Amino acid sequence: GIQVEQSPPDLILQEGANSTLRCNFSDSVNNLQWFHQNPWGQLINLFYIPSGTKQNGRLSATTVATERYSLLYISSSQTTDSGVYFCAGTTSGTYKYIFGTGTRLKVLA
Amino acid sequence: EAQVTQNPRYLITVTGKKLTVTCSQNMNHEYMSWYRQDPGLGLRQIYYSMNVEVTDKGDVPEGYKVSRKEKRNFPLILESPSPNQTSLYFCASSLVAGGAYEQYFGPGTRLTVT
Repeated sequence: GIQVEQSPPDLILQEGANSTLRCNFSDSVNNLQWFHQNPWGQLINLFYIPSGTKQNGRLSATTVATERYSLLYISSSQTTDSGVYFCAGTTSGTYKYIFGTGTRLKVLA
Repeated sequence: EAQVTQNPRYLITVTGKKLTVTCSQNMNHEYMSWYRQDPGLGLRQIYYSMNVEVTDKGDVPEGYKVSRKEKRNFPLILESPSPNQTSLYFCASSLVAGGAYEQYFGPGTRLTVT
C-alpha cells in the first residue's frame, strides 16, 4: 500500500527558529492536509493543500503533487508550536485516508 | 459553533462488554470517519461513510462496527472489546461537494479495555 513518510521524525528548536517539515508519498495522494496534534491530544487543522502554496500567519505550506511531496514551514517558532505534526491524504481513486508517520516538534523557551 | 463531538471522552471497560462511542457533527458533512491512534503506529482509519447508509472499511476494521442512519451521527460499536482495542479514537467529518475532503476532527475518546 501507499507509504507516507515524514521527516524529520523528531525536531528540537530554540524559540524563534525556523523549520521545514516534509511529507513524502510513495504514490499519488489527493486532499492533502496538515494537522497539529497539541500536547493535550487535539488534532487541529493547519492547511488543506492538495496543491500549491498557502500561508497562515507564521505557518505556510506547499504541495507539489506531481512530485509527491508537501512541505510545512514554521517561522519564528513559539513554545505553543510544540506537539506532533501530521500530513494526511486520500489515496488515489479511493476515499480512504492515510496519515504520515508524524514529526514530533519541541520548541524550547 | 461548528464542531465534531464525541462521547464519552474517557472510558475504562472490561473485555467482552459491548460499548458504543458516539460521534456527531453539526456541519452537514456527508463524509464521516473513525480512526484509532496508537504509539508507534500513528493514526489508522477504521471505517468511513460517504453518506447515510453508505459505509466502507478502512485499514483496521476488525472488531468494530459502524452505522450511519442519520447524516449527523456516526457511532462506533465494539461488540466484544478486547485489550488490543485500547487506544485513542478520533471521529472526523468533511464535506464531499466538489471532491474536496477537508477533515475536521473531534476531541478524541481514550478507551482502556482491561
